[in-house]
Amino acid sequence: DVKVTQSSRYLVKRTGEKVFLECVQDMDHENMFWYRQDPGLGLRLIYFSYDVKMKEKGDIPEGYSVSREKKERFSLILESASTNQTSMYLCASSPTGTDIYNEQFFGPGTRLTVL
Amino acid sequence: DQQVKQNSPSLSVQEGRISILNCDYTNSMFDYFLWYKKYPAEGPTFLISISSIKDKNEDGRFTVFLNKSAKHLSLHIVPSQPGDSAVYFCAASGFHGGATNKLIFGTGTLLAVQP
Repeated sequence: DVKVTQSSRYLVKRTGEKVFLECVQDMDHENMFWYRQDPGLGLRLIYFSYDVKMKEKGDIPEGYSVSREKKERFSLILESASTNQTSMYLCASSPTGTDIYNEQFFGPGTRLTVL
Repeated sequence: DQQVKQNSPSLSVQEGRISILNCDYTNSMFDYFLWYKKYPAEGPTFLISISSIKDKNEDGRFTVFLNKSAKHLSLHIVPSQPGDSAVYFCAASGFHGGATNKLIFGTGTLLAVQP
């Protein structure tokens, strides 16, 4: 079974703090994704990565950065947390292969509250 | 602009009856569609998918129907069970030549199955 783990289930930070959210997958997937989930807005893609050290902006990258130094690990960084970044953050991974379409496997999520 | 829309934020159904969840999309380049199920405090899990070359895909109690001309898909759950109570997200993707398959998610529908 694919396992995607996230470093924290719940996190409380203060405005202006630098925040690191970590995600690790154990299935050697090439692709990794960071989403945020907000009521009424669904899942919105922040950043994704299709290879080590490669990253692409998603739909809402402002205020975030990412790091992928190893294939299994994808980090989301909030350089200076703000209250509007209070949200559920979800990490996902998927393989790249001969099959055109590959489902994404999600971690359990991190509920981040910025005070 | 929301490219994938789920216009019903919630749905309540009696146990044993049919649940029908709807999803509309605007981008005619989408050619693969997925449904994910999400319980509170857990990440989304893949449920069922359909390629645009089909108009129906069935897996046990779950059937997805695709109407390309109307840019509409629906998920049918028959018979509905209390354990089906969750948020359901539809997602769409277009083929990117075997590279990262970005998914565009809808806003979700909260299904409540009443015993």
